[in-house]
Amino acid sequence: AQSVAQPEDQVNVAEGNPLTVKCTYSVSGNPYLFWYVQYPNRGLQFLLKYITGDNLVKGSYGFEAEFNKSQTSFHLKKPSALVSDSALYFCAPNELPGGNNRKLIWGLGTSLAVNP
Amino acid sequence: EAQVTQNPRYLITVTGKKLTVTCSQNMNHEYMSWYRQDPGLGLRQIYYSMNVEVTDKGDVPEGYKVSRKEKRNFPLILESPSPNQTSLYFCASSTGQGRNQPQHFGDGTRLSIL
Repeated sequence: AQSVAQPEDQVNVAEGNPLTVKCTYSVSGNPYLFWYVQYPNRGLQFLLKYITGDNLVKGSYGFEAEFNKSQTSFHLKKPSALVSDSALYFCAPNELPGGNNRKLIWGLGTSLAVNP
Repeated sequence: EAQVTQNPRYLITVTGKKLTVTCSQNMNHEYMSWYRQDPGLGLRQIYYSMNVEVTDKGDVPEGYKVSRKEKRNFPLILESPSPNQTSLYFCASSTGQGRNQPQHFGDGTRLSIL
């Protein structure tokens, strides 16, 4: 079965420090890879995606993600964390073969807490 | 402003009383989808629609209906709600130009079925 794993339920970092939120996936083929963020009482917001090309992808709010095909990983990073980055983060590869569905594979997310 | 709008945001109701959660997007997106989010289970797809009058089941369609009569609207219908449908529901949309397009989500509807 296709799946995604975010091995850490929670990540705690101090403001100004770099942060990493880990993601590995198990999807046959070459899926597109997405990161979304969910703030309290809000819907999910798109952060960035990997389609092809450069393994380092830059996205919104200063986030970037590193794709590693051999390790089937797509870790989210930010050089300097802000308190306002505190939220729930989801890595989501798209299911393959997808047919007409744009279905994404969702894990349980990683809760990021940035401490002042 | 490009957005997906869900209504209501919160609803407490009783078993068996039909309800509809509306979803509307202003981005002319072809693809729309409904998810439910439950603790420990993550997001699960209920139904999706590729375009007007084209809908299909997701992973957990039982107890739900949808319709897509207009491109912008994709309502979720619970004909006879039950307590196990208490959940946080999200509507999402994306352009139909390919699976590499991100999905845009509404702010969610929290349903409590008593």
